Amino acid sequence: ELQLVESGGGLVQPGGSLRLSCAASGFTFSSYWMHWVRQAPGKGLVWVSRINSDGSSTSYADSVKGRFTISRDNTKNTLYLQMNSVRAEDTAVYYCVRSRGISGFDPWGQGTLVTVSS
Amino acid sequence: SSELTQDPAVSVALGQTVRITCQGDSLRSYYVSWYQQKPGQAPVLVIYSKNNRPSGIPDRFSGSSSGNTASLTITGAQAEDEADYYCNSRDSSTNHQVFGGGTKLTVL
Repeated sequence: ELQLVESGGGLVQPGGSLRLSCAASGFTFSSYWMHWVRQAPGKGLVWVSRINSDGSSTSYADSVKGRFTISRDNTKNTLYLQMNSVRAEDTAVYYCVRSRGISGFDPWGQGTLVTVSS
Repeated sequence: SSELTQDPAVSVALGQTVRITCQGDSLRSYYVSWYQQKPGQAPVLVIYSKNNRPSGIPDRFSGSSSGNTASLTITGAQAEDEADYYCNSRDSSTNHQVFGGGTKLTVL
């Protein structure tokens, strides 16, 4: 069964750091580009970042560029999002998603909630 | 343009047909995919590459696209189709992924 399981969310103070993880199973992780998508409470989906299959290329939304770093460990089938200098507006559920190129994002993880507050 | 525009809310009578639209310049160049999200759950892919359904998605869901507008059509809407629906494509200027603002579908 295809599965993505996020972890690492929680409460963090403004200016602090947090690392999210996403454990993949049921597919050949190293063959797929992966993305992070977030959703603020009561709001819509917002793309955050993506990484290619071997980790050599990354891209970020302007809102997180320079503060967040996406990475992956294909030996551990795990995707990461290092979040630094977090702000209140980073408060959201963060989803890990597998990209199938023009065939869309599937599956999605269950999400992990990050709350930035003092 | 980096925006995909959706109507915030749409309603449909049980068993009737409803169309949810998504507009954006990038849709002239890139395929669109559609996602269904029910309260408290992660999004689920329902349509990709304009009009393809993943396995397990009922055939009452279909997609189409023309010019800068893509549509998700539900033919014979069911109560369980009540959800938020998001379109997704690529921003033609940045090559980043972009989502529409979402449409809340109410089945009456």
